Amino acid sequence: AQSVTQLGSHVSVSEGALVLLRCNYSSSVPPYLFWYVQYPNQGLQLLLKYTSAATLVKGINGFEAEFKKSETSFHLTKPSAHMSDAAEYFCAVSASNFGNEKLTFGTGTRLTIIP
Amino acid sequence: SQTIHQWPATLVQPVGSPLSLECTVEGTSNPNLYWYRQAAGRGLQLLFYSVGIGQISSEVPQNLSASRPQDRQFILSSKKLLLSDSGFYLCAWSAGGGYTFGSGTRLTVV
Repeated sequence: AQSVTQLGSHVSVSEGALVLLRCNYSSSVPPYLFWYVQYPNQGLQLLLKYTSAATLVKGINGFEAEFKKSETSFHLTKPSAHMSDAAEYFCAVSASNFGNEKLTFGTGTRLTIIP
Repeated sequence: SQTIHQWPATLVQPVGSPLSLECTVEGTSNPNLYWYRQAAGRGLQLLFYSVGIGQISSEVPQNLSASRPQDRQFILSSKKLLLSDSGFYLCAWSAGGGYTFGSGTRLTVV
């Protein structure tokens, strides 16, 4: 079974500051990990995914995440926050990357950008 | 290209009324289909998934049901809505290339 824990349901950062959204996972098999972004009243958009290749994964909109097995973490970062980054972010885990495995989501982190 | 359509976008229904939400996928064959619900402060919860026509798996016991009458059609239903059914419902599909989500339906039961 897989699960993810997102630390911090709300995170606020100033425009131009570092964004750090935390995600820890639990998995009985090698995990595949994902970050999704959701804008108000919209579906989820894939930011990036880890598929057991490079541990540092680069995604869209300047985001990246690093898979750390020793810490069971997959934190999402962006060097400089932009107002358009304000949204809700979800970390998710599955047992494969084939897309046929069920995704298990964290409870989400709402990111607010302070002008 | 693959697209996913979900409707309606918003819905307000009285307690005890029936529900039917529809999701259709274009540009792919034999996708896996999913219904998720997002309740305030609770993240996304998988409700149902389907690996083929007529094949439905339920993840949690609830007041809802799902059906897949055609390969690329997935329907979420209820005979009698409860207040606790309020939430944001998302349909998704996967076919070996990751998940694609619909734009969601905001359901408010009053």
